[in-house]
Amino acid sequence: EVQLVESGGNLVQPGGSLRVSCAASGFTFSAYWMSWVRQAPGKGLEWVANIKQDGSENYYVDSVKGRFTISRDNAKNSLYLHMSSLRADDTAVYYCARGVRFGSYFDLWGQGTLVTVSS
Amino acid sequence: AIQLTQSPSSLSASVGDRVTITCRASQGISSTLAWYQQKPGKPPKLLIYDASILEVGVPSRFSGSGSGTDFTLTISSLQPEDFATYYCQQFKSFPLFTFGPGTKVDVK
Repeated sequence: EVQLVESGGNLVQPGGSLRVSCAASGFTFSAYWMSWVRQAPGKGLEWVANIKQDGSENYYVDSVKGRFTISRDNAKNSLYLHMSSLRADDTAVYYCARGVRFGSYFDLWGQGTLVTVSS
Repeated sequence: AIQLTQSPSSLSASVGDRVTITCRASQGISSTLAWYQQKPGKPPKLLIYDASILEVGVPSRFSGSGSGTDFTLTISSLQPEDFATYYCQQFKSFPLFTFGPGTKVDVK
């Protein structure tokens, strides 16, 4: 089955760090750009970061630059997002998404993992 | 940065109604626009890409149009399973992307 499964979401204190993961199956993971998209409770979608097929390029929304790092392990069919210096406004469901045509839009999404930043 | 606005932010409609949602870009983006549907507690689902191309498996009652700065998503005859929130997304500014704020379609 073609799917993405996120994990690692948790409650973390402001200023803390967390890594969330996304396991891909049923397709050739190494052939796709991958992205993280988040959704704060009751709010809209926000694209966070993406990474090229071989990991050689990655890009971030301004609000997470210098704090978040996207990475991938094609041998493990896995995508990661390491988040540090977390703030309350980082609280959201984090979705991994498969990008189509150079990662421009997203045809496959995981179910999401909830990250809550609170003391 | 390219900003997207959507109108209305919410609408109430009945089964069988024709529904139109508008997405406007802050600058011209050609046809680099996608539409998604999201139901509560679920991830988004791709409906349309390149402004007007229907994703495989999406019912033909959904259609998209527009180019440049103004785009529309139309549901020709609203079905019970179409009550959801709809988002547009631009990819003109690849490799950076933005979503619109969403339009919630609920039961009149």
